Order: sequence, then structure tokens, then C-alpha cells
Amino acid sequence: KAGVTQTPRYLIKTRGQQVTLSCSPISGHRSVSWYQQTPGQGLQFLFEYFSETQRNKGNFPGRFSGRQFSNSRSEMNVSTLELGDSALYLCASSFTGMDEKLFFGSGTQLSVL
Amino acid sequence: EDQVTQSPEALRLQEGESSSLNCSYTVSGLRGLFWYRQDPGKGPEFLFTLYSAGEEKEKERLKATLTKKESFLHITAPKPEDSATYLCAVQAGSGGGADGLTFGKGTHLIIQP
Repeated sequence: KAGVTQTPRYLIKTRGQQVTLSCSPISGHRSVSWYQQTPGQGLQFLFEYFSETQRNKGNFPGRFSGRQFSNSRSEMNVSTLELGDSALYLCASSFTGMDEKLFFGSGTQLSVL
Repeated sequence: EDQVTQSPEALRLQEGESSSLNCSYTVSGLRGLFWYRQDPGKGPEFLFTLYSAGEEKEKERLKATLTKKESFLHITAPKPEDSATYLCAVQAGSGGGADGLTFGKGTHLIIQP
């Protein structure tokens, strides 16, 4: 059974640019959530999508956005990149997103120069 | 605001030396408390979910317990392959809905041969 796949694995951007990250969940999982991981703040919840609808959102600025497609694949976009956006972005999937374990991908390491 | 605090931040043990990791939490409407392990360069890997005070779960050398204010991850006779960062997270919710996970900053565990 294939796991959660995130692409690309590494990304280098400059301030002011925008970036799109991709996540393919485990087959059958309809919930996809995104987390940002930094050494200082740890793992922080960005947002969650279920059946193409954003169901939850964390405390991040509007520069962070996402979407989910009918096949449950998800993308997240960060516009007008700042140095502080450098982080590991993790995607996780599950059947319902509630009261159950999440399966995480290996993440996309974003560096903003 | 939901909060999760893990201690200690780092722990170095000799192989076979048992110990416990602590996770203190404040949350309104706890739906579940989760333990994950994260290896370098990888996403978190699920270990346990605990739903109510008094609940305990075991897996190999690990045992997780839950009270109304904290959870413990007990490691018995650890081996070098147990070296990892252990993350605690809570999921809150009300009215039938569930929030994203709130993570602690983790305990970095090193088991020396």
C-alpha cells in the first residue's frame, strides 16, 4: 500500500516568489491536512481539507492557501514568500480526519533566500 | 487556546535503561491524545491514540497512559533503534467537529549502546 507522497522533496525560492506544494494521500483517504514544522515552533496546523472543502484552518496569514481535488490530491500555495516561511511542510491523510491516526508524508523542505 | 508541553526536551539513556516522557496538556473538549515518533528526514509515524483518562496502550517496549492533565510514554528496556523524537499531540473539538492537531515540541530521545 503506497504511503502519502509529497513533491517536491526540496525547494529553494527567493523572497517575494510564490510556491506550490503537492500531496497525494493514501488511496481511500478523503481528509488531507497540512502542517508546518520549524525548529523553533515545532509542528503547527495549517489547514485541513475533506471532500474538496476546507474544513479547518490554523492561525496562519492568508498568504497560505490550499485546495483539494476530486481524487483527494491536495496542493498548498504560499504567495509572497518571506524568510520566515522556510520550513518543512508536512502533509497527512486519513479516512475522516477525526479521532483517528494520521499518515504523514516525508515533507517538502522549503528554503527561502 | 490549546497547549501541549513536553518534557524533557532531550533525554539520553543507556540501552536497557527504562524511563518516561511527559506530555502536559490544556484543551477544551479533548477528542484524543496522540503519540507519534519522528526520525530525521521523515514525517511523524503514529504510535498511539488515547481517548479518555485512565486509558493505557502498549506496543512492544512502549506504553502510553493518560490522565485528565497529562500523558506519559513509558519506555522499558530501550534499544538504540528507539532513538527518535517523540511527539505528543491533542485533537480538540465540539459540536461534532474536530480541530487540527496541536503538537508539543517533542522529546529528542537518544539510546546509547
